[in-house]
Amino acid sequence: AQTVTQSQPEMSVQEAETVTLSCTYDTSESNYYLFWYKQPPSRQMILVIRQEAYKQQNATENRFSVNFQKAAKSFSLKISDSQLGDTAMYFCASLIGGSQGNLIFGKGTKLSVKP
Amino acid sequence: KAGVTQTPRYLIKTRGQQVTLSCSPISGHRSVSWYQQTPGQGLQFLFEYFSETQRNKGNFPGRFSGRQFSNSRSEMNVSTLELGDSALYLCASSSIPGQGGNEQFFGPGTRLTVL
Repeated sequence: AQTVTQSQPEMSVQEAETVTLSCTYDTSESNYYLFWYKQPPSRQMILVIRQEAYKQQNATENRFSVNFQKAAKSFSLKISDSQLGDTAMYFCASLIGGSQGNLIFGKGTKLSVKP
Repeated sequence: KAGVTQTPRYLIKTRGQQVTLSCSPISGHRSVSWYQQTPGQGLQFLFEYFSETQRNKGNFPGRFSGRQFSNSRSEMNVSTLELGDSALYLCASSSIPGQGGNEQFFGPGTRLTVL
């Protein structure tokens, strides 16, 4: 069974600073994908960044980047130059490649960006 | 392109009643997944439909059921409601489930309150 663990229930960061959110996962599959989703207060969940497990290179999307450590089963999200609009719940999720389409989510990290 | 829509957005029911929630995926998407989000359990997968067939089911009692129509719209039904069914129910659509780690696009959710 797949599991995803986020050990930081809440974090805060000053505007313009950098913050790293942690995520570890467990799977016996070789073909899987990892995601970070953002859920702003009372708004829809949106995809922040995606990582294919077979790719060595860490994914980046503008101010968002990941540190994917496959052997350690670690998948952290780094947010650079934090903005007030980054305030949200962040969920780490995994998905087994192939025919299944169900995401396994961590419990989430509530990030507050302070002015 | 219109996003994923869910109706109704808010619903209040009493114990023992049944409820039907609706989800319209992004045009062209054939896969629909449902998730339950609660403060205690986080985000949990309910079921996934593709081309009117349930492909995958989470660990929920038989009171939770769903279906998908030929136009890819999906409904989920919860019978004999319990207080613990109070949650945000999220629907997500993707073009093909699981393939290439296709991004799942989430709707705004239906907030169900059971009194």
